[in-house]
This record gives sequence, structure tokens and C-alpha cells, in this order.
Amino acid sequence: EIIMTQSPATLSVSPGERVTLSCRASQSVTINLAWYQQKPGQPPRLLIYGASNRAIAAPARFSGSGSGTEFTLTIDGLQSEDFAIYYCQQYKEWPLTFGGGTKVEIK
Amino acid sequence: QVYLVESGGGVIQPGGSLRLSCEASGFTITSYGMHWVRQVPGKGLEWVAVILYDGNNKYYVDSVKGRFTISRDTSKNTVYLQMNNLRAEDTGLYYCGRDSTVTRASLGYWGQGTLVTVS
Repeated sequence: EIIMTQSPATLSVSPGERVTLSCRASQSVTINLAWYQQKPGQPPRLLIYGASNRAIAAPARFSGSGSGTEFTLTIDGLQSEDFAIYYCQQYKEWPLTFGGGTKVEIK
Repeated sequence: QVYLVESGGGVIQPGGSLRLSCEASGFTITSYGMHWVRQVPGKGLEWVAVILYDGNNKYYVDSVKGRFTISRDTSKNTVYLQMNNLRAEDTGLYYCGRDSTVTRASLGYWGQGTLVTVS
């Protein structure tokens, strides 16, 4: 199976800052990569698919980039509602696999 | 409006069986892949199984192969996860998810989950 590794595990940031989260795949997933946001007590929410395409309900401050094995999720101008855990997920092949998550917390 | 409502979770002894249900509304399950994803409270996400839109193709994570079976009833627009020979490590919140509208196997819709405790 494809192993997804996210870094860092935790990120302490202040509102308004630009945040960059990383995700690495153990083998190429081309652009078959999604990002999700999860807040406490809620299911995950799809933010990005195809590595760089924003889901319909995702705010424009979220952007994704990368291909192959290296991917990035950027949040431009972090807002209070963005403090959450972010997961990447590959859908290049079965089984689908998620990264371990990056928690974005208030500094 | 798309809704996914899971049910069937509970407390079960090791070796026991449970059947989870995911009732879908606002779309027909014959048009989308339907997934089960689990999460130990406070931990990360683990994809468990999928039944593709055609109903014939099903895939599982290795740790549940031979023990879990995903199926569907199109007349009820409902997806099931039959879980047999349960282990302590199967404990978690089980979410039902649907393929997003724009790309298969990224999950655009999720239910609120049903909790399974194997103890």
C-alpha cells in the first residue's frame, strides 16, 4: 500500500499568518491527492482534490500544489475557523490511504 | 441535499459480529462509490472499504479482508458493512462516505459516524 506521511505533526500559528502543510507519498500518486479538514466532533470535509482543485465549499484562501510524491496545502491568511486537523489522502490505488494528519493550533 | 446516516454501532465482545448501515438520501448509491472510513477517537483516519457504483467491485484494507463485507440494497438506497470476528483494534467511529461529484475516491460527503467498541 502507499504510505502517506504528513509534516509537521503540529503547527502553532497566529491568525493572519500563511501556513504550509506537507504531505509525502511513498510512491507516485500523480495528482490523485485530496486534502481534508477535520474539526473536533465533526466528520472530515473535502478541501482539495486532484492535488490543486478546490472543492466547491472550500474558501479561496486554501490552495494545493504538487504532483508525484510531494504535495503542499497552503492557507493564506489563517482565520480562527481554520484551526483544525488536516489530512491528505491518495486515491491513486486501493487501498486508499490517509496521512497521519497535521494539527494547526493557535500560537 | 446529500445526507448519509450511519447506524448499527455498539459495544460488542471480541469475536462478535455487527452490521453497520448507511442510509443515503439526496442521490442514488448506484451512481457513486460508497466508502467506510474509521477513526479511533483522538487518532487519524483509516479507510476500510468501498463498493463501487456498479455494485460489483469492492475493495478492502488488508486488516479487514476476510472479516468485513461491504454490500448495498439499492431498493433502500443503503450501504452496509458486515463486521465479523471483531477485534479490539476494530474499535472506532465508523464513517460512511460518498465519492465526490467531480472525482472518484475522494470523499465529498460524510455522515456523522457510528461508534463501535470491541471490548
